[in-house]
Amino acid sequence: DAKTTQPPSMDCAEGRAANLPCNHSTISGNEYVYWYRQIHSQGPQYIIHGLKNNETNEMASLIITEDRKSSTLILPHATLRDTAVYYCIVRVEKGGNQFYFGTGTSLTVIP
Amino acid sequence: DVKVTQSSRYLVKRTGEKVFLECVQDMDHENMFWYRQDPGLGLRLIYFSYDVKMKEKGDIPEGYSVSREKKERFSLILESASTNQTSMYLCASSILSRGEKLFFGSGTQLSVL
Repeated sequence: DAKTTQPPSMDCAEGRAANLPCNHSTISGNEYVYWYRQIHSQGPQYIIHGLKNNETNEMASLIITEDRKSSTLILPHATLRDTAVYYCIVRVEKGGNQFYFGTGTSLTVIP
Repeated sequence: DVKVTQSSRYLVKRTGEKVFLECVQDMDHENMFWYRQDPGLGLRLIYFSYDVKMKEKGDIPEGYSVSREKKERFSLILESASTNQTSMYLCASSILSRGEKLFFGSGTQLSVL
């Protein structure tokens, strides 16, 4: 079963910040939150991940709530090339380090 | 950069055929994974492997098997293809340690007629 809940779709105006939410209420203490995105006809691409603290890299920022039950991926200045499906994943520590993907959020950046 | 290469971008097979999907990675990663992706269902894990000759079932292993004879290569086998196995198949690899990210191939779109 999926361990995360995301809205199925969102729109964002070009140049604005895109804020993509994710609920992971059953996350355990040693599980990381990962974000990937998939542009049409390509394999998913890693964006960012975190455990407790907020993280930022050249692509995005990840804000994790203090209780770790939810997080938000922020694309600070969305462009048309950011139109993609965004997956929020909680990484299970079990044997071979599985990653469970859900159905993600389809983000459309509007000109 | 890590490269994960899937042997075919598109594949068309007949019902009952034995199908091999090949995946090769060039970064000496221990972990390799096979997912299938279907509209409305997202990515679902079929099998994964954390070492040569080792394999673990994912969520939907029925109708599939895998082979990992060399570290860089992970093959997905459909012993007798069926129409409900028409799907996009994605291979991925990662280093065996906490916090490492997945690297995906471009996918193989398999159609079983």
